[in-house]
Amino acid sequence: QSALTQPASVSGSPGQSITISCTGTSSDVGDYNYVSWYRQHPGKAPKLLIFDVTNRPSGVSNRFSGSKSGNTASLTISGLQAEDEADYYCSSFTTSNTFVLFGGGTKLTVL
Amino acid sequence: EVQLVESGGGLIQPGGSLRLSCAASGFSVSSSYMTWVRQAPGKGLEWVAVIYSDGNTYYADFVRGRFNVSRDNSKNTLYVEMNSLRSEDSAVYYCARMSSTWYDPWFDPWGQGTLVTVSS
Repeated sequence: QSALTQPASVSGSPGQSITISCTGTSSDVGDYNYVSWYRQHPGKAPKLLIFDVTNRPSGVSNRFSGSKSGNTASLTISGLQAEDEADYYCSSFTTSNTFVLFGGGTKLTVL
Repeated sequence: EVQLVESGGGLIQPGGSLRLSCAASGFSVSSSYMTWVRQAPGKGLEWVAVIYSDGNTYYADFVRGRFNVSRDNSKNTLYVEMNSLRSEDSAVYYCARMSSTWYDPWFDPWGQGTLVTVSS
């Protein structure tokens, strides 16, 4: 089972908004609202940002929002801050025997 | 505070075995779904295995038959016994608490990770 497809990199200036896409298939992203997003700073553990496509855990800034259309989920970060510079990963339930797939990761650079 | 702390990583020769531990605090491992996720150097995240609250386990194809996940409820600790290790198993191994619905897998919190290097 291939990983979900994310752009290798995105960039934006402080204060701007950026969107990271996560493309799967009808076996995962397309047919299930079970997409989650994680942020990972270098050398650190991933941190949950979004679950079930649009839900934010307690304590996560409302600058982070999620959406989905067809086989593609998206993470939008508004009001970019320097601390947002990190790697971002999407994940989805899949009907394959892997049961969960991750995206390949997107490196966000804050210019 | 809900926290996970891994230990046990290190340098191991191909074909060798290693056991990783993940000590939990702030919640009960026995009543949670617990997972292992790995990340090869410079690569993305890769799900490895899960142990459900009822004790059932499930593994990714690439480790099935070689890795074994268990827990010690009295120590509130998760383990993964890794056997027949290969160079491609080299990675940082994270333990994480999984959501309580198997078909809605999200992971929070994560441990800090422990590095496993398989090399001669």
